[in-house]
Amino acid sequence: GQNIDQPTEMTATEGAIVQINCTYQTSGFNGLFWYQQHAGEAPTFLSYNVLDGLEEKGRFSSFLSRSKGYSYLLLKELQMKDSASYLCAVRDLGDNFNKFYFGSGTKLNVKP
Amino acid sequence: GAVVSQHPSWVICKSGTSVKIECRSLDFQATTMFWYRQFPKQSLMLMATSNEGSKATYEQGVEKDKFLINHASLTLSTLTVTSAHPEDSSFYICSAPASGVNTGELFFGEGSRLTVL
Repeated sequence: GQNIDQPTEMTATEGAIVQINCTYQTSGFNGLFWYQQHAGEAPTFLSYNVLDGLEEKGRFSSFLSRSKGYSYLLLKELQMKDSASYLCAVRDLGDNFNKFYFGSGTKLNVKP
Repeated sequence: GAVVSQHPSWVICKSGTSVKIECRSLDFQATTMFWYRQFPKQSLMLMATSNEGSKATYEQGVEKDKFLINHASLTLSTLTVTSAHPEDSSFYICSAPASGVNTGELFFGEGSRLTVL
C-alpha cells in the first residue's frame, strides 16, 4: 500500500522560513513532487526530486532522502500569498505506468 | 507548460441521475490520465487511471460500475458518475503527465465540483 504523511497544519509569520516535512512508504518510487493548492483550485507544481539532495527553485527548495523515505519543502521569505495547502506526492512504479499518490496535505497559514 | 482543461467546473444534479465530466489535454497527447477525488479539507485520492485505447485501472475500493471512465482519444478522457447520490458530492479533478516535460509532473485540470441533491 501507499502511506504518505504530512503535518495537517502549520502557521508561520510573513518573511520567515518554514519547513514542511513528508515521509512516505510506497511499494515503488520514481520521484517525489510538491504541489501548492489554494482552496477550490487545482494543484500547481512546485518541485521535483528523484535523487537524494536539495533542489532549489527561487524561494522554494525541496530535499529528498530516499533511504529514509523523507522529503521536505522549504519556503523562504514567506509572503501572505503563500497561504495554501502543500501536497507531497510520490510517483510510484505501477505494472504498466507510473501512478501519483498524494499525502493529506499541509495547510500553511501565513500571518502578518 | 502543458494545459489540461476540465468541464464542467460546477454541476448540480438530482439523486439518481448520471453526470459526465470531460478532461482534455489541449496542447499535448495524453496516453494516460488520472482521475482524483477530493473531499473538503482532504487531499487528492486517486480513483482510477485512464488509458487511451484500453480499460481504465481502478484503485481498490472504487466501484467500476459507478465511475465509468472512457479514454476515447489521446486528448480526451471522460468520467461518468452513474446514479449519483449525495455521498458522491465531491471535487473531481483530472490530470495527465505531459510527454516531453523533463520531470514528468502532472498537469491538472481546473476540477469539477459535483453536488448531488
